[in-house]
Amino acid sequence: EAGVTQFPSHSVIEKGQTVTLRCDPISGHDNLYWYRRVMGKEIKFLLHFVKESKQDESGMPNNRFLAERTGGTYSTLKVQPAELEDSGVYFCASSQDRGTSTDTQYFGPGTRLTVL
Amino acid sequence: KNEVEQSPQNLTAQEGEFITINCSYSVGISALHWLQQHPGGGIVSLFMLSSGKKKHGRLIATINIQEKHSSLHITASHPRDSAVYICAVRLPLTHKLIFGTGTRLQVFP
Repeated sequence: EAGVTQFPSHSVIEKGQTVTLRCDPISGHDNLYWYRRVMGKEIKFLLHFVKESKQDESGMPNNRFLAERTGGTYSTLKVQPAELEDSGVYFCASSQDRGTSTDTQYFGPGTRLTVL
Repeated sequence: KNEVEQSPQNLTAQEGEFITINCSYSVGISALHWLQQHPGGGIVSLFMLSSGKKKHGRLIATINIQEKHSSLHITASHPRDSAVYICAVRLPLTHKLIFGTGTRLQVFP
């Protein structure tokens, strides 16, 4: 079974540009999460999709970030326009069960974003 | 102050040593996760606990809900155990995880 995949693995852009990160969850997983680790800090939650619906977007830092999951399969996270403080590693995770405390989240390898 | 604190931040050990990594949290939780990230690698879930103790191979994880504390133990440590170990707690009624800053473990032969 394929794991969670993310694309690209690395992205280097200039301040003010737009970047779109993609996450493909494990097939059949309804739950999809985005997380971010800024250099030297802990990983922080950004948002949670259940199928195509945003269940919790309390961690999204500001309106420069837009996440979508059309069709309830893969998800994209767009940063527009990118700022220097957006640099970090963006992780995606997926899980199967809904509404339980026992579902395991499976993480992707992350996308390292560098904004110059 | 972070809601999830790990100690130590860095840990070095000789092969064969018994390792303990601690995690304390200050919020109510529905579950606690221990995760592992090897250098240049992705994040792997090791354990998910809501009470008691779990064991997988040389890894043991315990949690004390009353004291809001969890420990991850590695018996007979090996250089391949070198990684960052991350504690994360899940808030009740949500899927949201709050993460500790991680413990960087290096095991030397």
